[in-house]
Parts: sequence; C-alpha cells; structure tokens
Amino acid sequence: EAGVAQSPRYKIIEKRQSVAFWCNPISGHATLYWYQQILGQGPKLLIQFQNNGVVDDSQLPKDRFSAERLKGVDSTLKIQPAKLEDSAVYLCASSLITGTMNEQFFGPGTRLTVL
Amino acid sequence: ILNVEQSPQSLHVQEGDSTNFTCSFPSSNFYALHWYRWETAKSPEALFVMTLNGDEKKKGRISATLNTKEGYSYLYIKGSQPEDSATYLCAFSSGGSNYKLTFGKGTLLTVNP
Repeated sequence: EAGVAQSPRYKIIEKRQSVAFWCNPISGHATLYWYQQILGQGPKLLIQFQNNGVVDDSQLPKDRFSAERLKGVDSTLKIQPAKLEDSAVYLCASSLITGTMNEQFFGPGTRLTVL
Repeated sequence: ILNVEQSPQSLHVQEGDSTNFTCSFPSSNFYALHWYRWETAKSPEALFVMTLNGDEKKKGRISATLNTKEGYSYLYIKGSQPEDSATYLCAFSSGGSNYKLTFGKGTLLTVNP
C-alpha cells in the first residue's frame, strides 16, 4: 500500500514570498490533516479535512495560510506571504475516517526555511 | 490549552543499554494516548495507541505502559540499537467528533554504537 506522499521535500524561500505544498493521502482515506512542526516543538494541527470539507481550522493563521482539498483527495497548503517564523516541517497525514480512534498515517513532511 | 509534556528532551545511550521516557498528559477527559517514532528524513510511524488504565503494549524490544488516573505513560526500549535512534512523540486525545491529537515536543534518542 502506497503511503502518504508530499512534495517538495525541502523548500527555501525569502520572507514575503509565497509557497505551496502538496499532499496525496493514502487511497480511500477520507480524513486529511496538515500539521506544522517548529523546531523544538511538537506537531501542531493546522487544518483537518473530512473528504473536501473543513472539520477544524481553528489554529490556521488565516491571514496568510490557506488550504484546499479539491475532490476530496489531494490537498495543497499555501503560505502567502511567508514570515521568518513559518520556518518549520509541514506534515500531512491521513486516516480512514474521523471521530474514532483511527491511526493517522504521516507523510515525510516538507521542510520549509524562510530567510 | 492541553499540556502534553515529554521528558527527557534528549537522551544519548550506548548500544545495548535499556532506556525509558515519560509522557505526561491531562488525566481528565482522557480518551487515548498515541506513541509515534520519527526517524530523521522519514515519516512518523505509529508505535502504539493505548486507551485503558493499566494498558501495556509491546512491539519487539519496545513496550509502553499507561496510567490514566495520574496522567502518564512510559515508553521502554530494551537493549537499544543504533537503528532505534529517532524522536519519540506521544499524542493525547480526548476523543470527540474530530478526534484531535495534541502532541508533546518529543524525546530525541541517540544510540551510539
């Protein structure tokens, strides 16, 4: 079974530039998550989708971050414009369904460096 | 704001040593506790999910225990090997319709050959 795919794996940009990350979840997984992991901290949930609808985006900085999951499969996370404090690993995860004790399967992450 | 604490922050051991780390979480509104292992440049991998007070889980040389009344879980590695080097993350869930995970900062384990 193919795992969660993410691209790019690494990205370096300057502050005020825009950047987008892509995630392809495991086939058939209805729930998709984006996490931000800043160095020295644990992963923090940014947004959770159930199919193509948003379930939780309470910790997404909506003035600069946006995410979409068209057709309930792939997802993109965008930052526009980036700030220095956005330097982090962005992890995508998927699970079969939400609302139960479902294992979340993670991708390898995108490491973003903002200069 | 839920507080999930892990200790120590980092740990260096010699090959063959046994080691353990701690995850502390809120004892109220507990639903489940997850352990993940995250090797550098790889995907975080699920180790255990634990729900019942007194639960013990084992996978090879790695085992975990759970105390929901006092709000802690221990992860044990017996006879550490260099390939055990990774960050070990715990995540707390209080259940609910969204089943949200709150992660600790992790324990970085380095096993020296």
